[in-house]
This record gives sequence, C-alpha cells and structure tokens, in this order.
Amino acid sequence: DTGVSQDPRHKITKRGQNVTFRCDPISEHNRLYWYRQTLGQGPEFLTYFQNEAQLEKSRLLSDRFSAERPKGSFSTLEIQRTEQGDSAMYLCASSLLREGQYTQYFGPGTRLTVL
Amino acid sequence: GDSVTQMEGPVTLSEEAFLTINCTYTATGYPSLFWYVQYPGEGLQLLLKATKADDKGSNKGFEATYRNKTTSFHLEKGSVQVSDSAVYFCALSAFSGAGSYQLTFGKGTKLSVIP
Repeated sequence: DTGVSQDPRHKITKRGQNVTFRCDPISEHNRLYWYRQTLGQGPEFLTYFQNEAQLEKSRLLSDRFSAERPKGSFSTLEIQRTEQGDSAMYLCASSLLREGQYTQYFGPGTRLTVL
Repeated sequence: GDSVTQMEGPVTLSEEAFLTINCTYTATGYPSLFWYVQYPGEGLQLLLKATKADDKGSNKGFEATYRNKTTSFHLEKGSVQVSDSAVYFCALSAFSGAGSYQLTFGKGTKLSVIP
C-alpha cells in the first residue's frame, strides 16, 4: 500500500505568517497523529484523531496551533502567527488497530523554517 | 509520566562491527516497544517492535528483546554496513487517559558506519 504522504516537504515563512501543512494517511488507517521534532531531539506528540474526531489536543503547543481532519481522511495542521521557535520538522503518522496494537507509520515530514 | 532513555551518541563503528544501542524506559502498565530509524532529511521508518515481555523483534539483521525486569529494549546487530548509518530512536506506546497510544521517544542515537 502507499505510505503516509505530507505536503509540502519544506516551508520557509516569515515570522507572523500563518502556515498550513497537509497529511494523507495510509488509506485504511483510522488514526492519525501529529508530532513535532526539533533538531537533535526525538519527536514529541501534539495531537491525534480517530476518524474525524480529535480526541487529544491538550498537547498542542499553544493556541496558535490547530488541526483538523474533516472527513476522516487527510488532516491539516495550521500554525498561526508563526514564531522562530516554531522552526522544526512536523511529522504525521497513521495507524490501524491490528492484533490489539496501534503501530504507527510515519510520513516524510514537513520541515518548517521561520525567518 | 512515561519516558525513554537512550545511550548518547554519536556512535562510530567500522563496517562489520557489532552494534548495541542501549534503551531503557519508564512506563505505567505494560507498553509496546519500538525502534524507528531516520535517514537524513526523511521521516521515521519502523525498524522493529515488541508488544509483551520476552518478545524479540527483528528486522534486517537488527534485533531487540523486551525485558520488563530490567525495563530495557536494547538494539543489536551482528555486522553493521555503511547503509545502516542513520539516527535510531527507541520509543514506547502505552494507553493514555485519552486512549491515544501516542509514542514517547528517546532523543535518538546517531550511528555512523565507516568502510
């Protein structure tokens, strides 16, 4: 099957601008996760969806961050009024309950640079 | 909360050398354990996993055994190749209050294999 895809792969923006990233999960997967990875660190969990429902969003970094998955397929992550500290790799992963486990498969990521 | 501790890198080995990357974890309950690999500029690829105590995960010559008594999941390979050069992340997944099963990652260990 095709893997998780993310678009764009790279985004350069100026401080204060809004940015939106898209993630297309593996087609039959009902769970979708967003993570942020800063340089030299492991990814940190931001939020997740089961189908179209966002079931955990308390780990989003601030109220400037929001995510949607309107039809239970692709998802978008938006950052409003970007700051230089938002520069990072944003990773999307999807999963399906199988054998009692939700093994997550990751996309290639979107690297954000805020100038 | 849950946490994962990996050995600090970078690790530099000659081709055909034996590899061990240590990983220990702290979690409530019985998590699933994973190793992911990240090549430069790319997302994370699942390398192997283990879902219960004494399980051994294996893939592409890499192995790791779930040791709940020592709360460890060390990654090993008998003979590394130049193509194994990458960053390796140990991670755990456990049920959370929101049911997310989000991944908690270590900081990663960079491996460089020289010919």
